[in-house]
Amino acid sequence: ETGVTQSPTHLIKTRGQQVTLRCSSQSGHNTVSWYQQALGQGPQFIFQYYREEENGRGNFPPRFSGLQFPNYSSELNVNALELDDSALYLCASSPATTGGVTDTQYFGPGTRLTVL
Amino acid sequence: AQSVTQLGSHVSVSEGALVLLRCNYSSSVPPYLFWYVQYPNQGLQLLLKYTSAATLVKGINGFEAEFKKSETSFHLTKPSAHMSDAAEYFCAGGDNFNKFYFGSGTKLNVKP
Repeated sequence: ETGVTQSPTHLIKTRGQQVTLRCSSQSGHNTVSWYQQALGQGPQFIFQYYREEENGRGNFPPRFSGLQFPNYSSELNVNALELDDSALYLCASSPATTGGVTDTQYFGPGTRLTVL
Repeated sequence: AQSVTQLGSHVSVSEGALVLLRCNYSSSVPPYLFWYVQYPNQGLQLLLKYTSAATLVKGINGFEAEFKKSETSFHLTKPSAHMSDAAEYFCAGGDNFNKFYFGSGTKLNVKP
């Protein structure tokens, strides 16, 4: 069984640019959540997608957007990058039946984004 | 806003000693609570979760946590630490609006 994979592993962008991060969920999982983990901090919830619809959102501005595809893979898009966007971005999938928070999440290794 | 607070950013124990990692939650409704472990350069792995069933929750690798509503706590314990337990541990909560919130993490060091 293939676990959650994320690409790219590392990425360097400059302020004002746009970035797209990708996540392939574990086989059979229909829910994907995205998190931002700044250095030395805990993950911050960005949003969750369940069956291609946004199913919950944290306190992130609209320039953070996402997509979930019919095969349940997902993208995180960030526009107008700021220096504070530098972080590890984690994707997690779960075999949700309801899209709720009680389903166990399986995390990918993350994408390290550096904004210069 | 709902949140979880982890007391102690670093905890050091000797191998074989009790592990106690503290987590308090702030919530006006019964939360769903989780403990995750993160090894260097890896994603998070679920240790255990509380979803309003039994208040004492047993997880993987010998860890357990007890939900105490009167103390708004969900502390993680393990009777005997192993060297392989050295990692960063995160307490997390979830609410009925599908929002998750993580604590700032506790790095556990295990001394030989």
